[in-house]
Amino acid sequence: EIVLTQSPGTLSLSPGERATLSCRASQTVSTTYLAWYQQKPGQAPRLLVYGTSNRAPGIPDRFSGSGSGTDFTLTISRLEPEDFAVYYCQQIQTSPRTFGQGTKVEIK
Amino acid sequence: QVQLVQSGPEVKKPGASVKVSCKTSGYTFTSYGISWLRQAPGQGLEWVGWRSGYNGNTNYAQKFQGRLTMTADTSTSTAYMELSSLRSDDTAVYYCARADKSAWFFWGQGTLVTVSS
Repeated sequence: EIVLTQSPGTLSLSPGERATLSCRASQTVSTTYLAWYQQKPGQAPRLLVYGTSNRAPGIPDRFSGSGSGTDFTLTISRLEPEDFAVYYCQQIQTSPRTFGQGTKVEIK
Repeated sequence: QVQLVQSGPEVKKPGASVKVSCKTSGYTFTSYGISWLRQAPGQGLEWVGWRSGYNGNTNYAQKFQGRLTMTADTSTSTAYMELSSLRSDDTAVYYCARADKSAWFFWGQGTLVTVSS
């Protein structure tokens, strides 16, 4: 099983600041199969980035993904009020599909 | 547009079974699989299993083997997830998602399953 470890657990930032979220895999993940999701309370997760760096339809360009091998990053260039949420990375390379434990981006 | 609409909340007693539906529209049901996952209160996302829309093949997370069944009715483009021998730690919101090759683009709204005596 591929274990994904996200850091930090919580990120306290102000609107307008840059957020950098990390996702480390226990073994190599093809860039094709690494995705990021955003989840707000009471809502289903929403796909932000797929294939490591491809924004999903309708996702603003302040969200960007990068990485390779075992280290992946989601960057939010300038936080908007609606970006405060929990973010999960996911691998769909192998079964079982796994998620990181999440990073909560909260208002400082 | 692609939509996945799940059935309503359920309350079950320990030992009972629950069957959650996921009605899809806006795409060819047999061209994509459906993944199911769950989220316990205040916790992260846990993959439950997957069923192929093409041939009905399934792949279940090991911890659910023996008490999980995923089926579908292709005539109504609806997927089902049935979990038996429910325990209190099965209390969670269960989600279905269309299993695209590189990510899960479309999700159901979630179904809260509460297991309580």
